[in-house]
Amino acid sequence: DTAVSQTPKYLVTQMGNDKSIKCEQNLGHDTMYWYKQDSKKFLKIMFSYNNKELIINETVPNRFSPKSPDKAHLNLHINSLELGDSAVYFCASSPRVGQGHNEQFFGPGTRLTVL
Amino acid sequence: EDKVVQSPLSLVVHEGDTVTLNCSYEVTNFRSLLWYKQEKKAPTFLFMLTSSGIEKKSGRLSSILDKKELFSILNITATQTGDSAIYLCAVVQVRPGSGNQFYFGTGTSLTVIP
Repeated sequence: DTAVSQTPKYLVTQMGNDKSIKCEQNLGHDTMYWYKQDSKKFLKIMFSYNNKELIINETVPNRFSPKSPDKAHLNLHINSLELGDSAVYFCASSPRVGQGHNEQFFGPGTRLTVL
Repeated sequence: EDKVVQSPLSLVVHEGDTVTLNCSYEVTNFRSLLWYKQEKKAPTFLFMLTSSGIEKKSGRLSSILDKKELFSILNITATQTGDSAIYLCAVVQVRPGSGNQFYFGTGTSLTVIP
């Protein structure tokens, strides 16, 4: 069983469109994250959610909005896509402090290409 | 400002060489330091370090943490072409009343040539 899953794996779209990437984890973790990995392979944290509350919002454009319908899901919605949004987006989850190992479990990534 | 710095940014070695990757950090409320290996897909977990001076080993890979000098090293002995990957270092920060915050370094790109 996949621990952290993302859909779609690949997304090709035109500038100006609105798109969503879905993420689900079946580990019972309290905290979920979205990362953007650019062409230089640098992982930059975008958001994290703890018990459905946004606790970190890095300086990302407000065109990006995380939405969490429940503890197991954290979806990423992007409005008015731009060329610079092309990247690989990773979802991850981790237990809350005190619940054991605090490693992160990553999803397989979604490669977004904006034309 | 909390940050994690890895060096070198890239490294090319021959099979059989030993490599040392460095990770230094300035992160308040430190909880642990993690090493990941990333090949073509998502990062995969290698080690978690919480205490200074205790070496973690897994086969040809080993890692140690120095909480006084704020750094960690990842050693790979007798490198193989399958070790070629990006190695990421992440530091976990505890936020009271909240979940963990992870700070990632830029990664070290290792290429092992036959």
